[in-house]
Amino acid sequence: DTGVSQNPRHKITKRGQNVTFRCDPISEHNRLYWYRQTLGQGPEFLTYFQNEAQLEKSRLLSDRFSAERPKGSFSTLEIQRTEQGDSAMYLCASSSSGGETEAFFGQGTRLTVV
Amino acid sequence: AQSVTQLGSHVSVSEGALVLLRCNYSSSVPPYLFWYVQYPNQGLQLLLKYTTGATLVKGINGFEAEFKKSETSFHLTKPSAHMSDAAEYFCAVSSSARQLTFGSGTQLTVLP
Repeated sequence: DTGVSQNPRHKITKRGQNVTFRCDPISEHNRLYWYRQTLGQGPEFLTYFQNEAQLEKSRLLSDRFSAERPKGSFSTLEIQRTEQGDSAMYLCASSSSGGETEAFFGQGTRLTVV
Repeated sequence: AQSVTQLGSHVSVSEGALVLLRCNYSSSVPPYLFWYVQYPNQGLQLLLKYTTGATLVKGINGFEAEFKKSETSFHLTKPSAHMSDAAEYFCAVSSSARQLTFGSGTQLTVLP
């Protein structure tokens, strides 16, 4: 296992289109997180899964955003009716149980909405 | 609620000089503290973390940080900067088994 994998690395879409990103976590990790990072800012928490259960969602996660983690393995993040303000780097991370454990990050998907 | 403040969005040091990146946190419960490094168009890599025990924590690439509860600080230091240290550095806090709260980052420039 080579770490957290995210696809695609880059996505350019027209405003109003739907996009979906995929994250494959480290296989033995039961926790999976999505973060959003805009230019010049630190990552901001979006949502968190423990196994297949989505346990927490940020206020940042509007109704246009939906995340799934079927069978507790890979996860997808979908953005419907994209807006220019959705342009950002979307980061996925995974960790094993325990708040003190390290979260391993993927390289991110950079979304540009034109 | 928890928050992180990183003083100085940009820090420049000469190669071989001391690196000091400042981080102050706010947390209602004992925190777990982390420093991550990010290179351009890459994800985040953990440098070091404090959970419990020894307050001086050593990490990768010669970095270390000291947890000071009385000052609510977790500053990152390195005795001698290398050109390869040029990157963005993020301090983060977690007080639960869940998400990290990040600071806004400090861009480190190393001058030859």
